Amino acid sequence: EAGVAQSPRYKIIEKRQSVAFWCNPISGHATLYWYQQILGQGPKLLIQFQNNGVVDDSQLPKDRFSAERLKGVDSTLKIQPAKLEDSAVYLCASSERSGSAVEQYFGPGTRLTVT
Amino acid sequence: GEDVEQSLFLSVREGDSSVINCTYTDSSSTYLYWYKQEPGAGLQLLTYIFSNMDMKQDQRLTVLLNKKDKHLSLRIADTQTGDSAIYFCAESMDSNYQLIWGAGTKLIIKP
Repeated sequence: EAGVAQSPRYKIIEKRQSVAFWCNPISGHATLYWYQQILGQGPKLLIQFQNNGVVDDSQLPKDRFSAERLKGVDSTLKIQPAKLEDSAVYLCASSERSGSAVEQYFGPGTRLTVT
Repeated sequence: GEDVEQSLFLSVREGDSSVINCTYTDSSSTYLYWYKQEPGAGLQLLTYIFSNMDMKQDQRLTVLLNKKDKHLSLRIADTQTGDSAIYFCAESMDSNYQLIWGAGTKLIIKP
């Protein structure tokens, strides 16, 4: 079974530029998550999709971040304009409910450096 | 409020047992998880335990849950160099399945 795919793996941009990340979840997984992981911290949930609808985007800085999940499969996360504090690893995860437990499967992440 | 706390580092000798500890504050947690993150890699689910269980064992891994003290631990028997990683504790509630994460414990293996 193929895992969660993300691209690019690394990105370096200057502040005020824009950037986009792509995620392809595990086939059949209805739920998709985007996390931001700053060095030395645990992941912070940015947005959660159920199919192509948003379940929770309460921690997404909507003035500069946007995300979409067209057709309930692939998803893109965009930052425009980027700030220095956006430097982090952006992780995508997907899950399929199994009983009452939720196992999230993570992609390798995109490491963003904003200079 | 929701908060998950872990020690930042743990150093053990190869072959010894490692015990990584975690405390959480939300008594309504339904599941508690341990994830492993190796350098440059994504997070890998190691194991999880339902909140009405005290213990779960899976090969070299043993999870202990003290619900009264809101304390979770992960024991790795016969620690190997391949166990070097950051270990994250996380909790979730049944209502939305979102995970609340600790900051991670870096496991350092000494030869």
